[in-house]
Amino acid sequence: GAGVSQSPRYKVAKRGQDVALRCDPISGHVSLFWYQQALGQGPEFLTYFQNEAQLDKSGLPSDRFFAERPEGSVSTLKIQRTQQEDSAVYLCASSPSNEQFFGPGTRLTVL
Amino acid sequence: QKEVEQNSGPLSVPEGAIASLNCTYSDRGSQSFFWYRQYSGKSPELIMFIYSNGDKEDGRFTAQLNKASQYVSLLIRDSQPSDSATYLCAVSPTGGNNRLAFGKGNQVVVIP
Repeated sequence: GAGVSQSPRYKVAKRGQDVALRCDPISGHVSLFWYQQALGQGPEFLTYFQNEAQLDKSGLPSDRFFAERPEGSVSTLKIQRTQQEDSAVYLCASSPSNEQFFGPGTRLTVL
Repeated sequence: QKEVEQNSGPLSVPEGAIASLNCTYSDRGSQSFFWYRQYSGKSPELIMFIYSNGDKEDGRFTAQLNKASQYVSLLIRDSQPSDSATYLCAVSPTGGNNRLAFGKGNQVVVIP
C-alpha cells in the first residue's frame, strides 16, 4: 500500500519567509510524528499527534514552529520567519501502534 | 547525558563478514527499541524492533537487547554491498508518548 508522503520534497526559502510542510500519513494510522534531522545527526523529535490532538509539542525549538492535524489525517508543519538554523530535513512518521514509518522528508534550505 | 549513544566511527567490513553495531541508552525504563537503516539522501527505514531481553532474528539481521546493561546491538550477517548505509538506533523513552530518541547513527561500508 501507499506509504507516508510529504510535500514539497525540497524547499528553498529566503530568511524571514514563512513555509508550510505537508505530511500525508499511512491511511488508518492514528499517531503522527514530526522530526527534524540535521546533516550527520539522527532525527530529533518535534511534535506528536494522536488523531487530531497534539499531545506533545515539547520538541518544537521555538514559537515560530507550529503544527496542526485538524481532521486527524493530513498534518502541516509551519515555520514562520525562517532562519538559517532552520535548514534541515523535516521528517514525518506515522504509526499504528509502536513502530513508526517515515516519509521521504522535506529538505528545507534557508538562504 | 544523551538519551541514546552510538559512539563507533564508520565501520568497514568485507563482503560476507558480520557487521556489529552497538547502542546504549540512558532511560532504564525504556521498553521499545528500534534499528533503522538510512541510505544517503533517503529517509530512515525500519529494519528491526525488539521489546524483550535477548535476541531477535530476522533474515540476516539479529537484534540483541540487554536491559540490565542498557544496550542494544545489531548484527548483520553475510554483509552485502547493499547494506552500506547509516544505521540509527532509536529508543522510546518512558512517558514519552511513543516519541523516538535517536542516536547519531553508525555508517557501515561493505567492501566487495
